[in-house]
Amino acid sequence: AQSVAQPEDQVNVAEGNPLTVKCTYSVSGNPYLFWYVQYPNRGLQFLLKYITGDNLVKGSYGFEAEFNKSQTSFHLKKPSALVSDSALYFCAVRDPWAGNNRKLIWGLGTSLAVNP
Amino acid sequence: SQTIHQWPATLVQPVGSPLSLECTVEGTSNPNLYWYRQAAGRGLQLLFYSVGIGQISSEVPQNLSASRPQDRQFILSSKKLLLSDSGFYLCAWTRGAGEQYFGPGTRLTVT
Repeated sequence: AQSVAQPEDQVNVAEGNPLTVKCTYSVSGNPYLFWYVQYPNRGLQFLLKYITGDNLVKGSYGFEAEFNKSQTSFHLKKPSALVSDSALYFCAVRDPWAGNNRKLIWGLGTSLAVNP
Repeated sequence: SQTIHQWPATLVQPVGSPLSLECTVEGTSNPNLYWYRQAAGRGLQLLFYSVGIGQISSEVPQNLSASRPQDRQFILSSKKLLLSDSGFYLCAWTRGAGEQYFGPGTRLTVT
């Protein structure tokens, strides 16, 4: 069965330090992978995606993510965290062979707190 | 550019009352459309999706229904709300590789 795991409910990091939010996945084919951010009482904002090509993808607000096929992971990273990065982060995966519904399988989210 | 609208932003309704939430997308055609519910600020639950006008797929059994009367309009409804229907309702659209774009959401409180 397809699934996405975000093993950490919460990540705490000091401002200026690097941050990593972890995501692992399980799909039957080559995955399409996505990261989103959600601020309180707001809709989700798309950050970045991996479809094919370079394993390191860059996205909005200085975030990047590395696709690792052997470890089935797609961890979100940022070299230097800002207090304004504090939010809820979601990882999602799509099986490209699943048909035209383009449904995403979602992780449960990781709450990131960046401390000043 | 594409824009997605949801209204109302907040709603307080008594148990047993009807519900209608609307979502519209601008700047694209023939999108896939999705309704999600998010409880307690965490995980997303896919409720319905639509790949075209009049085509609705339901993901979970519940007292909610959805309709797509026009290409870029998606409506979530209920005849009688339950306390458990409270939550944050999000509409999203997608085309192409599959990244979804979300509306601002509707906070529903059933009292």
